[in-house]
Amino acid sequence: AQSVAQPEDQVNVAEGNPLTVKCTYSVSGNPYLFWYVQYPNRGLQFLLKYITGDNLVKGSYGFEAEFNKSQTSFHLKKPSALVSDSALYFCAVRDVTGGYNKLIFGAGTRLAVHP
Amino acid sequence: DSGVTQTPKHLITATGQRVTLRCSPRSGDLSVYWYQQSLDQGLQFLIQYYNGEERAKGNILERFSAQQFPDLHSELNLSSLELGDSALYFCASSVVQGGQETQYFGPGTRLLVL
Repeated sequence: AQSVAQPEDQVNVAEGNPLTVKCTYSVSGNPYLFWYVQYPNRGLQFLLKYITGDNLVKGSYGFEAEFNKSQTSFHLKKPSALVSDSALYFCAVRDVTGGYNKLIFGAGTRLAVHP
Repeated sequence: DSGVTQTPKHLITATGQRVTLRCSPRSGDLSVYWYQQSLDQGLQFLIQYYNGEERAKGNILERFSAQQFPDLHSELNLSSLELGDSALYFCASSVVQGGQETQYFGPGTRLLVL
């Protein structure tokens, strides 16, 4: 079965410092990976996705993610964190088991950026 | 703003009651997905509709049902509500570009069962 794991419940970063939110995956076949962000009292917003091609994927709000096949990881990164980046981040993998298409989400990582 | 709308934003009801959550997908999107976000279960896929037909089922209880109408909006019906049904319910619609699909989520309906 397809799955993703986010090993950190919370990540704390000082504003201006680089941030990394970790995600590892377990899939059979080619992985289709996604990052979503959830701000307080808001819905999920799509950040970026990896399908094929370059291992470094650029997304919204200055975020990027690095796909690493050998380490089965898809970590979310940003060179310089902003306080407004504080939110809940979800990694997801597309599951096409049975010929159907749905997203399997990780447990989420809360990012706290402090001034 | 993703373009996916959900109503109502908040819903407070009592155990044993029935509620209906509504979702309007982005213009042109044929697929609608429903997800439940709860503290203990995280984000879980419930059900998918494509152009009016049920396409996939996830961890959806028998007390829950959904449908997608000809205008492509969808409704999720939750009946015989229990305290544990309190959660945030998301709808997503998807677009296929270059053979690849991305799901865009609505703001969610927060359900509180008392």
